[in-house]
Amino acid sequence: QKEVEQNSGPLSVPEGAIASLNCTYSDRGSQSFFWYRQYSGKSPELIMSIYSNGDKEDGRFTAQLNKASQYVSLLIRDSQPSDSATYLCAVRGAQKLVFGQGTRLTINP
Amino acid sequence: GAVVSQHPSRVICKSGTSVKIECRSLDFQATTMFWYRQFPKQSLMLMATSNEGSKATYEQGVEKDKFLINHASLTLSTLTVTSAHPEDSSFYICSARRQPGDTEAFFGQGTRLTVV
Repeated sequence: QKEVEQNSGPLSVPEGAIASLNCTYSDRGSQSFFWYRQYSGKSPELIMSIYSNGDKEDGRFTAQLNKASQYVSLLIRDSQPSDSATYLCAVRGAQKLVFGQGTRLTINP
Repeated sequence: GAVVSQHPSRVICKSGTSVKIECRSLDFQATTMFWYRQFPKQSLMLMATSNEGSKATYEQGVEKDKFLINHASLTLSTLTVTSAHPEDSSFYICSARRQPGDTEAFFGQGTRLTVV
């Protein structure tokens, strides 16, 4: 089992709709969770971090964490074409960040 | 936000030569820097963790004699790919963390290495 798993997609969402990205992790002791956005040929850009159970909202983005289910998700409301990118889920273990394989998201105008 | 600068952004080298990639934290002192490699359509894979003034810790399967890491100051870490081969062609990305207890790390722009 991979440490951090994501559906690789591609996920296609119409403009203005809600995009939902999911991630599961195997290390039950993990405490820090991150969502990064990566455009093609560029390095990852941090968009959300979450550390406790529940929801965390920042603008159009909402991160949701459920430690009991070892599940973290990212919702993007009012999706825009500029949101088209690969979204990487990352989980911090004792020392290092472990990344999922990423979900490729396409927002269709 | 904190700025991490990576140089060069792109490099093409001949097989058998060595390439050095620099990672600098511009507005903070980084106690720890991380080096990742990303192959096309794959995720970031951690290669090594470097702490200022000490030897880097390499991940399993990463050859320390091939990927030389130096973290001589709190603002600079370098990765040297020695005797590069076409299979070393990849996107190399560094990240830097201020304090050991920090949860967040900041990424450089990445370096696209092509070995011909």
